[in-house]
Amino acid sequence: DGGITQSPKYLFRKEGQNVTLSCEQNLNHDAMYWYRQDPGQGLRLIYYSQIVNDFQKGDIAEGYSVSREKKESFPLTVTSAQKNPTAFYLCASSLPGSYEQYFGPGTRLTVT
Amino acid sequence: QKEVEQNSGPLSVPEGAIASLNCTYSDRGSQSFFWYRQYSGKSPELIMFIYSNGDKEDGRFTAQLNKASQYVSLLIRDSQPSDSATYLCAVGNQAGTALIFGKGTTLSVSS
Repeated sequence: DGGITQSPKYLFRKEGQNVTLSCEQNLNHDAMYWYRQDPGQGLRLIYYSQIVNDFQKGDIAEGYSVSREKKESFPLTVTSAQKNPTAFYLCASSLPGSYEQYFGPGTRLTVT
Repeated sequence: QKEVEQNSGPLSVPEGAIASLNCTYSDRGSQSFFWYRQYSGKSPELIMFIYSNGDKEDGRFTAQLNKASQYVSLLIRDSQPSDSATYLCAVGNQAGTALIFGKGTTLSVSS
């Protein structure tokens, strides 16, 4: 059963702590993406990766970091440098050269 | 800054009516256009994509693209209460690396 999984579904952290969000896919997609969505807002691109061991900053990369050591996995770390980390985080993947992105179920992060 | 604009709504239509959702984009070089449906609290689901000028139909959904006017729309025929959701318009960037999303239009279909 192919798809994209994100864990956990809900995550609570104290301000000043780093937190890592998991994203795994078994669709054999080369490209993976991280987006952030705030209430009433569209999706904003944080980072993307077209191939293993390579990734690029999106529009709002400050305060975030990623790694792409395996084709199936693209974890996102929200660091303490991110000013407003509370949001809905969405991971997506696509075939190389394709814009058709498919999303995981998302992780809702709350930082207090 | 490349932009994708949508009316936030809410757009309210009665069950059985046609819902028309509109989107404009600023990058004249854009070639790929997508509509995602997002239910409250859930992740976006790809429902339509269109690359060429004109209409593309899939069941009750029709996507329309006019590149000269930089305008893309989604028509939903025979709207159902289950169509009530936020519809996100997305446009592929020229580099071929990412999608640019609008803020979405909330559709409410009343029975």
